[in-house]
Amino acid sequence: GQQVMQIPQYQHVQEGEDFTTYCNSSTTLSNIQWYKQRPGGHPVFLIQLVKSGEVKKQKRLTFQFGEAKKNSSLHITATQTTDVGTYFCAGRNQAGTALIFGKGTTLSVSS
Amino acid sequence: ETGVTQTPRHLVMGMTNKKSLKCEQHLGHNAMYWYKQSAKKPLELMFVYSLEERVENNSVPSRFSPECPNSSHLFLHLHTLQPEDSALYLCASSQDWVGGSSNEQFFGPGTRLTVL
Repeated sequence: GQQVMQIPQYQHVQEGEDFTTYCNSSTTLSNIQWYKQRPGGHPVFLIQLVKSGEVKKQKRLTFQFGEAKKNSSLHITATQTTDVGTYFCAGRNQAGTALIFGKGTTLSVSS
Repeated sequence: ETGVTQTPRHLVMGMTNKKSLKCEQHLGHNAMYWYKQSAKKPLELMFVYSLEERVENNSVPSRFSPECPNSSHLFLHLHTLQPEDSALYLCASSQDWVGGSSNEQFFGPGTRLTVL
């Protein structure tokens, strides 16, 4: 079945450093979504990418969707302590059915 | 802040108990979901309901029984659970189940379940 892999599983950075998490699918995706879950909280939708090669920015966050629509990345520039949490990617297959979540990357930031 | 509510927020139960988790969405969505989140297997999809019909059941043990009486409410009935079922159970909803240009999922706060 479809699988969505995410790396790294954990990442610790100093405040001000950059951070990137990568998401890879075993199959071509129709779209990919990113969610953030703060410690003790629930996943909250960040963004959806649909087009091949698409790049979207939200302030210090940059999201990319690969040309083959099988991988994606989330890059945070100059991390802040408010960025801590687990970032999940979730891919929807070409049939457009259920969203498959990656295992997430947990980011910790020290000041 | 959230349009999806879940009760109870915390639940401790013995293996012989029967309990139910409740989810309610106030967003007018057509699809609702149950997820299990544990340290070892984050965000496992359990059940999907679309327009009150179950459309996906991901090999979940029969000790978990979902119910969707209407498009705004979703229940998860629990009986004879095992300690390994202890986890955070998250409910989510989305406008539709299939397709859609922006079919993001809105999650509730979850029920933290501990099975003794």
